[in-house]
Amino acid sequence: DIQMTQSPSSLSASVGDRVTITCRASQGISKYLAWYQQKPGKVPKLLIYAASVLQSGVPSRFSGSGFGTDFTLTISSLQPEDFATYYCQKYNSAPITFGQGTRLEIK
Amino acid sequence: EVQLLESGGGLVQPGGSLRLSCAASRFSFSNYAMSWVRQAPGKGLEWVSAISHSGGTTLYADSVKGRFTISRDNSKNTMYLHMNSLRAEDTAVYYCAKVLDGSYPINVFEYWGQGTLVTVSS
Repeated sequence: DIQMTQSPSSLSASVGDRVTITCRASQGISKYLAWYQQKPGKVPKLLIYAASVLQSGVPSRFSGSGFGTDFTLTISSLQPEDFATYYCQKYNSAPITFGQGTRLEIK
Repeated sequence: EVQLLESGGGLVQPGGSLRLSCAASRFSFSNYAMSWVRQAPGKGLEWVSAISHSGGTTLYADSVKGRFTISRDNSKNTMYLHMNSLRAEDTAVYYCAKVLDGSYPINVFEYWGQGTLVTVSS
């Protein structure tokens, strides 16, 4: 099965910072990569799919890129509401797998 | 807005069984594939199972294959997860999730229910 590895596992940043989270697939998955945001006690929220397509209603400070095995989620200017855990998910074929998560904390 | 309401969670002994339900509303349930995703306390997300829009295709994670069965009743707008031979490591919040588009079960998840907690313990 294809493994998804996120880095870093945790990250401290300040409001206004530019932040990048990386997700690496153990084999190529084309563009079939999604990103989710999960706040404590809340359900995951879809941010980006097809590696770079912004889900409706998601602020434009979020962006995604990548193809094949290497993908990134970038937040251009962190806002207080962005502090959360972020997960990547591959969906090119079964089984669906998620990365282990990246916890974004306030510095 | 799409609504997904899970039920059926609870405390069960190792080796026991449970049936989870996911009642869907405010979208054309029969047109969309659905999935179950779980999250153990303090841990990350783990996909469990998926079902196509018609129910004709079902898929499972290796960790539950042979123990869990996913099904759906489109006349009732409801999806189910039958869980047998439960283990301590199955303890988690179980979410039902609607795919973003289409009937193919391997997909991204646009909407999630609030989840139902399953605790496997003696």
